[in-house]
Amino acid sequence: LAKTTQPISMDSYEGQEVNITCSHNNIATNDYITWYQQFPSQGPRFIIQGYKTKVTNEVASLFIPADRKSSTLSLPRVSLSDTAVYYCLVGGYNTDKLIFGTGTRLQVFP
Amino acid sequence: DADVTQTPRNRITKTGKRIMLECSQTKGHDRMYWYRQDPGLGLRLIYYSFDVKDINKGEISDGYSVSRQAQAKFSLSLESAIPNQTALYFCATSDLDREGYTFGSGTRLTVV
Repeated sequence: LAKTTQPISMDSYEGQEVNITCSHNNIATNDYITWYQQFPSQGPRFIIQGYKTKVTNEVASLFIPADRKSSTLSLPRVSLSDTAVYYCLVGGYNTDKLIFGTGTRLQVFP
Repeated sequence: DADVTQTPRNRITKTGKRIMLECSQTKGHDRMYWYRQDPGLGLRLIYYSFDVKDINKGEISDGYSVSRQAQAKFSLSLESAIPNQTALYFCATSDLDREGYTFGSGTRLTVV
């Protein structure tokens, strides 16, 4: 399974766009990139998943360059409730298990 | 009702005691997982199961055992609890789709 590297923490203010970048230099051809959000004392929650280029849903956008060695989770106009830990994971479409890193702790200030 | 239900939500037990954490799901997924999370750290995989007859060790299976009683139920046991097993435990399910994993709300276990 490809190893991922993310910033340990990030700070932002309400209303700003937040971009969290993840490096995954040894991503395999059949690996997808998935992002999860975790609030304190809760289980991680699926945010978005993509393979290449750009994916957008009602919560976030995921940008993946052509070489797929990195990806960027974009959260538009964050609010205080977006304060959480965000995990980037890579794995095959039918990957049997997910390995979590330490994630990025996002703190949103008023 | 939650898609993935874990019981108990909180538990305090003594060193050396046997304890079982239970997980049930209504997603209809074949694959189930147990993760452990220590304060300030990411999740580490303990065991996972692809179906009732399939059990696999994860990163940190020592000191733990599991039982897949049915497609919907996956239990984690600590045969002889020790203090460094104090952690937040999560159960998760998945299927071969693009919705990712669904996690339960967690069980906070304290071993004294």
